[in-house]
Amino acid sequence: ETGVTQTPRHLVMGMTNKKSLKCEQHLGHNAMYWYKQSAKKPLELMFVYNFKEQTENNSVPSRFSPECPNSSHLFLHLHTLQPEDSALYLCASSQQPLAGGGETQYFGPGTRLLVL
Amino acid sequence: TQLLEQSPQFLSIQEGENLTVYCNSSSVFSSLQWYRQEPGEGPVLLVTVVTGGEVKKLKRLTFQFGDARKDSSLHITAAQPGDTGLYLCAGAISSGSARQLTFGSGTQLTVLP
Repeated sequence: ETGVTQTPRHLVMGMTNKKSLKCEQHLGHNAMYWYKQSAKKPLELMFVYNFKEQTENNSVPSRFSPECPNSSHLFLHLHTLQPEDSALYLCASSQQPLAGGGETQYFGPGTRLLVL
Repeated sequence: TQLLEQSPQFLSIQEGENLTVYCNSSSVFSSLQWYRQEPGEGPVLLVTVVTGGEVKKLKRLTFQFGDARKDSSLHITAAQPGDTGLYLCAGAISSGSARQLTFGSGTQLTVLP
């Protein structure tokens, strides 16, 4: 049973809309992540937060704006998206930021986004 | 350029058969993880391998990390329909101030009853 929840589970939006994705983790973790999963492409890391501070931004377009008000909550604000942004957006958390020693990431179920 | 190549991309087998999924790279990883993702869900961690040549077993699943820590394999014995899912490998690399996981594109396994 995952301790990471995401809402909404499905979202359809137009290119001029503004919407937000929400992620909440109940595991007491300190690091949170946003990933994008597109068909036939590997998971792409978008943002990393450690103790509410953004530590990684993998050249993500500014139409994606993350927000981390506390260690348990993570948002992804969406504005003027493109059809190619349609994908599954996954949130994950880990006790500490990944350090190559095999830390476990726990993923939420994702938000399936369709941009028309 | 994809850092981690997984093969095959798709695999459909009958219940009871054995199978092997491969994860290959030209890069060296400090650790490698295998995940399974079912429809409508996020990936769930199956195993982490850290040492070159390491072999880990999880019931009918056997995971091996290559000696040079560039590749890995997942072998499933006597596959069952419950094994159906997307299998992802992910290698840990260093990127700036934090290490990240680089994911392969996955192997979609279907086990037919």
